[in-house]
Amino acid sequence: GQNIDQPTEMTATEGAIVQINCTYQTSGFNGLFWYQQHAGEAPTFLSYNVLDGLEEKGRFSSFLSRSKGYSYLLLKELQMKDSASYLCAVRDGDYKLSFGAGTTVTVRA
Amino acid sequence: GAVVSQHPSWVICKSGTSVKIECRSLDFQATTMFWYRQFPKQSLMLMATSNEGSKATYEQGVEKDKFLINHASLTLSTLTVTSAHPEDSSFYICSARDTGEVEQYFGPGTRLTVT
Repeated sequence: GQNIDQPTEMTATEGAIVQINCTYQTSGFNGLFWYQQHAGEAPTFLSYNVLDGLEEKGRFSSFLSRSKGYSYLLLKELQMKDSASYLCAVRDGDYKLSFGAGTTVTVRA
Repeated sequence: GAVVSQHPSWVICKSGTSVKIECRSLDFQATTMFWYRQFPKQSLMLMATSNEGSKATYEQGVEKDKFLINHASLTLSTLTVTSAHPEDSSFYICSARDTGEVEQYFGPGTRLTVT
């Protein structure tokens, strides 16, 4: 089975940086995804890591360490529209995604 | 990017009736489609995986006779909630992927309310 942990909530100020950690223990690993989800909407893809290291994509970066079962999503230059839930998801060999419970990020002015 | 649609976007039905939700890939062939359920303030839980032309594979604890999944073509999968009860009220989301693609593309979701 899959066990994926991430913090429940985080609050940060507009313009700041926030790092959302995700740890996982899985029976199979074929990549880690980060998604953003606004209330009442479907998740939207942010990043994908399958090898160790940092992937940068504009204001968002994601890091993976497979040996530690650890990933983080870094959000820079926070904007009000970044207030959302951020989901860490691990994919197994059958391409099935297991999601963490999500981290609600609130950006304050 | 690839687009996945769902219909309807929301539905209200009476207890005991059945509801069908459609998931379509609009500009790619979806060899595999996934159905998820999300309760308020919880994460997505995978219900089943369907491959075109074959029976769906259900996750543990999901009743296959209650949640009927049909993946009749490379662009359409349907989820039918049979004999719906209020506890089936949830946000149902599908996703689709094509062979060789890394990413799953999510539909906009269907909010089901059973009264």
